[in-house]
Amino acid sequence: AQSVTQPDIHITVSEGASLELRCNYSYGATPYLFWYVQSPGQGLQLLLKYFSGDTLVQGIKGFEAEFKRSQSSFNLRKPSVHWSDAAEYFCAVGTNTGNQFYFGTGTSLTVIP
Amino acid sequence: EPEVTQTPSHQVTQMGQEVILRCVPISNHLYFYWYRQILGQKVEFLVSFYNNEISEKSEIFDDQFSVERPDGSNFTLKIRSTKLEDSAMYFCASSDPITGEQYFGPGTRLTVT
Repeated sequence: AQSVTQPDIHITVSEGASLELRCNYSYGATPYLFWYVQSPGQGLQLLLKYFSGDTLVQGIKGFEAEFKRSQSSFNLRKPSVHWSDAAEYFCAVGTNTGNQFYFGTGTSLTVIP
Repeated sequence: EPEVTQTPSHQVTQMGQEVILRCVPISNHLYFYWYRQILGQKVEFLVSFYNNEISEKSEIFDDQFSVERPDGSNFTLKIRSTKLEDSAMYFCASSDPITGEQYFGPGTRLTVT
């Protein structure tokens, strides 16, 4: 069965520090992978996605993620975090039929001055 | 850029009442979805809809729920006899027919009192 694991429930980083949010997935075929960000009381905003090709994908707001098939991972990174990045981050895997998304439980990011 | 819209943004209802949540998917999309996010929890898949019928549904989507595409633009989620535990944010999504990427609406916050 498909599943997504985000092992870190909550992460705190200092503004300007680098960030890595972990995501592992379980899916039998080649997955479609996504990262979404959700600010309090808001909807889901797509940060980036991986369908095929280059395993390092660039997204909005300076985020990037790398697909590593051997590790079944799709970790999100940012070299320098801004206070406005404080939010909930969700990793998701989509099936190649486009029929369903599976979300991770989310990682809550706190940014301290 | 086309977007998924949802109305209302916030719905308050009394336990036992019926509610209808409305969504307008992106016009050339063929698959439509409803997801639920209970406060502080992950986004959960409810149902997918294609060609005027349910394509997949989760265990959450029981007889209390129904979906409908009453015309060429709207996609609705009906919750009969609401319970306190139905209080959540409900997200509608539709998917690109070529890439399968899902586009999410801003959500409807349902509060059952």
